[in-house]
Amino acid sequence: NAGVTQTPKFRVLKTGQSMTLLCAQDMNHEYMYWYRQDPGMGLRLIHYSVGEGTTAKGEVPDGYNVSRLKKQNFLLGLESAAPSQTSVYFCASSYGGTGIFYEQYFGPGTRLTVT
Amino acid sequence: AQSVTQPDIHITVSEGASLELRCNYSYGATPYLFWYVQSPGQGLQLLLKYFSGDTLVQGIKGFEAEFKRSQSSFNLRKPSVHWSDAAEYFCAVEGSGYSTLTFGKGTMLLVSP
Repeated sequence: NAGVTQTPKFRVLKTGQSMTLLCAQDMNHEYMYWYRQDPGMGLRLIHYSVGEGTTAKGEVPDGYNVSRLKKQNFLLGLESAAPSQTSVYFCASSYGGTGIFYEQYFGPGTRLTVT
Repeated sequence: AQSVTQPDIHITVSEGASLELRCNYSYGATPYLFWYVQSPGQGLQLLLKYFSGDTLVQGIKGFEAEFKRSQSSFNLRKPSVHWSDAAEYFCAVEGSGYSTLTFGKGTMLLVSP
C-alpha cells in the first residue's frame, strides 16, 4: 500500500495564480483532512471531509476550497494565491470515528511558495 | 474549544540522557491524546496515543507518555535518547466529535554528542 500520497511535492506560484493539490489514499478511509504547517505554528486544519461528497471547514479555511468527489481523493484548491499561503501542506486520512484504533495517517507534504 | 500547549520550543539533550517533552491540553471531557514525530522534510508519524484506561502509554521507538488528568498534561518521555531521535515532536488532542485533531506548536529536539 502506498498509504497517503500528495501531488505535487513542490510548487512555486505567482500571486493571483490558481492551483490544485491532490491527496490520494488507498486505505479505504472515510475521513480526510488538509493541514498547513508554518514555522512556530504547528499544524492547523484547513478543511476536512467525513465521507465522499462531504466537506467541512477547519480552523483556517479562508482562501481555500476543497472537493471530495471520490472516496480516495481529496483536492485542495487555491483560487487566487497570496504570499500568506506560502506553507507546507499536509494531507491526512483516518478510518473515521474514534476509539483505540483511531489514527490519522499523514502524507509527505507539499511545499508551496507564493511570490 | 480544545487547545494544546507545548511550552518548550526547543530542547537540547545529550545522547544517552533522558528526555521529557511537556504537553498541556485544555478540553472539557476526557480527551484523546496523541504524540507525533516529524523528521526533517518528512510527514508526521504517530508515536503513541491515549484513549482510556492505563494512564501510562507505551509507543514506538522506546517512547512512553503519561496522562495526568489533575494536571491536564500528557508528557512524552524516553529514558535514553539516540541521535536519530532529533526531530520535531507534536502533541495533539481529539475532541471535536469529527475525529479532527488540534495540534500544539511543536517542540524541536536537538541531540548533542
